[in-house]
Amino acid sequence: GQNIDQPTEMTATEGAIVQINCTYQTSGFNGLFWYQQHAGEAPTFLSYNVLDGLEEKGRFSSFLSRSKGYSYLLLKELQMKDSASYLCAAMDSNYQLIWGAGTKLIIKP
Amino acid sequence: IAGITQAPTSQILAAGRRMTLRCTQDMRHNAMYWYRQDLGLGLRLIHYSNTAGTTGKGEVPDGYSVSRANTDDFPLTLASAVPSQTSVYFCASSDNSEGGLTGELFFGEGSRLTVL
Repeated sequence: GQNIDQPTEMTATEGAIVQINCTYQTSGFNGLFWYQQHAGEAPTFLSYNVLDGLEEKGRFSSFLSRSKGYSYLLLKELQMKDSASYLCAAMDSNYQLIWGAGTKLIIKP
Repeated sequence: IAGITQAPTSQILAAGRRMTLRCTQDMRHNAMYWYRQDLGLGLRLIHYSNTAGTTGKGEVPDGYSVSRANTDDFPLTLASAVPSQTSVYFCASSDNSEGGLTGELFFGEGSRLTVL
């Protein structure tokens, strides 16, 4: 079956760095997405990786290893506003998104 | 302001009632989607439409129906609501090419539905 695994909750300190991991199993693979979702709000797009390696976008970076079925989202210089859930989603061979349950990130001062 | 508009934002509904959640986008995206989000679970696709005039079933389509009469509108109907349909519903759109998702999804603000 198809499956996405990511930690349920993580805690980090303001100003620090945090890495949120995601492993996936899909029928075929057409890329991996990360979305941010603040409580009570809609998910918003953060990144898309289809090739192996690291994509950097400001304080956020996303990494993909297709051979390992693994991705991570790296958040640097954490700010209180980064407190949110981070959703990992893999796209299968039919271009359908398989979503993880999300990682709730709690930032402490 | 460009984007996706959902209505209502919140609704309490008696079991057995019919309910339509409305979704309108003004980005001229060809693909639209309905998801439900429940605590502890990932977003689950209910129905989708790759282009106006066509629809498809997602992972959890039972008890729901959709229509896509034009590019902008994609309503979701619960014919006879049941308590297990209590959830937050998100409409989304994307600019697909060649039948596949090639870009990000844009989400509406969600509709919180409670079925008693």
